Amino acid sequence: AQSVTQLDSQVPVFEEAPVELRCNYSSSVSVYLFWYVQYPNQGLQLLLKYLSGSTLVKGINGFEAEFNKSQTSFHLRKPSVHISDTAEYFCAVSERLSTASKLTFGTGTRLQVTL
Amino acid sequence: DAGITQSPRHKVTETGTPVTLRCHQTENHRYMYWYRQDPGHGLRLIHYSYGVKDTDKGEVSDGYSVSRSKTEDFLLTLESATSSQTSVYFCAISDRGSEQYFGPGTRLTVT
Repeated sequence: AQSVTQLDSQVPVFEEAPVELRCNYSSSVSVYLFWYVQYPNQGLQLLLKYLSGSTLVKGINGFEAEFNKSQTSFHLRKPSVHISDTAEYFCAVSERLSTASKLTFGTGTRLQVTL
Repeated sequence: DAGITQSPRHKVTETGTPVTLRCHQTENHRYMYWYRQDPGHGLRLIHYSYGVKDTDKGEVSDGYSVSRSKTEDFLLTLESATSSQTSVYFCAISDRGSEQYFGPGTRLTVT
């Protein structure tokens, strides 16, 4: 079984400031890692993914995340946020060797960007 | 955006009535999934499909059934809706079993 912990339910930040959204996971097997973003009243959009290779992955809208196997973390970062980044962000994990790629989600972090 | 539609987008129903939600894809992806989203829980997997007529249970499958008679359609049925099934339901698809792409969601209210 696997689990995902998003340590912050809400993160307030001023526009143009940097932000880090934290994600830790637990799994007994190798995993794939994902970040999704959900804007109000919309579905989930894939922000970035770690499947293999470089542990620093870049996604859409200037976001990036770093896979740290020893700390079982996959924190999401952006050096300068914009008002339009206000949304809910979900970290998710799936087992690498699972053919059906069932995702286990964290409970989400609401990023609130203000002027 | 991946070609995924969900219908209906909103539904209000009474306790004890049957409800069917439909997910339709135009991507010819092998895998399809149903999740529910509730405050404080994130998204939780209800059922998934790995091919036509091939389905399996997820984390929160009690009270739900699914069917997939064609590659493009995945139906979620609540045989007898309860208030605890009030939620937002998302369908997702996947081609190679890695990343998933989500539909716009269906907001279901059971009164």
